[in-house]
Amino acid sequence: NAGVMQNPRHLVRRRGQEARLRCSPMKGHSHVYWYRQLPEEGLKFMVYLQKENIIDESGMPKERFSAEFPKEGPSILRIQQVVRGDSAAYFCASSQGADALSYEQYFGPGTRLTVT
Amino acid sequence: AQSVTQLDSHVSVSEGTPVLLRCNYSSSYSPSLFWYVQHPNKGLQLLLKYTSAATLVKGINGFEAEFKKSETSFHLTKPSAHMSDAAEYFCVVPLNQGGKLIFGQGTELSVKP
Repeated sequence: NAGVMQNPRHLVRRRGQEARLRCSPMKGHSHVYWYRQLPEEGLKFMVYLQKENIIDESGMPKERFSAEFPKEGPSILRIQQVVRGDSAAYFCASSQGADALSYEQYFGPGTRLTVT
Repeated sequence: AQSVTQLDSHVSVSEGTPVLLRCNYSSSYSPSLFWYVQHPNKGLQLLLKYTSAATLVKGINGFEAEFKKSETSFHLTKPSAHMSDAAEYFCVVPLNQGGKLIFGQGTELSVKP
């Protein structure tokens, strides 16, 4: 059973371009979480999605950021008009259920976004 | 609000010596707590978790942690460090609903030969 897959692993964008980050959850997992890790900081929750639904987006910046998890295909985190402050590692995690105590979140290797 | 504070941003030990990574939590009630490890260029892996059962929790790779309510601490220990333990370690508190995880700032562990 393959783990959580993220691509690309590294992404370089110029200021003003769009960044699309993809996450394929583990087989059988319908819950996806996105976290952002800024340099020298811990991971910060961004958004929690189930298939076709955004459950909690309390950690998402209000502008330029969006996420989706369609019925078919990977979850996508989209950042429009990137700025230097968006440079970070973006991690995706998946689980079988919403209860973090009962269902372990499995993390992907992350996408490292660099904005030049 | 629940939060965790990792007291050291970097810890360096010699191979074969004990490891102590410190974590304090803030919560109005006894929380559940996790430790995750992040090896370079890899995803995070769950080391162990405390969910209000036994206060001494054993995890993978010889790590263990003890929940101490009186000290609001959940320190991670290992009797003898191995070179392969070099990584970043995160103390984590899960929120009750929705699966959201709150991460500490992380502690980078270096192991010298």
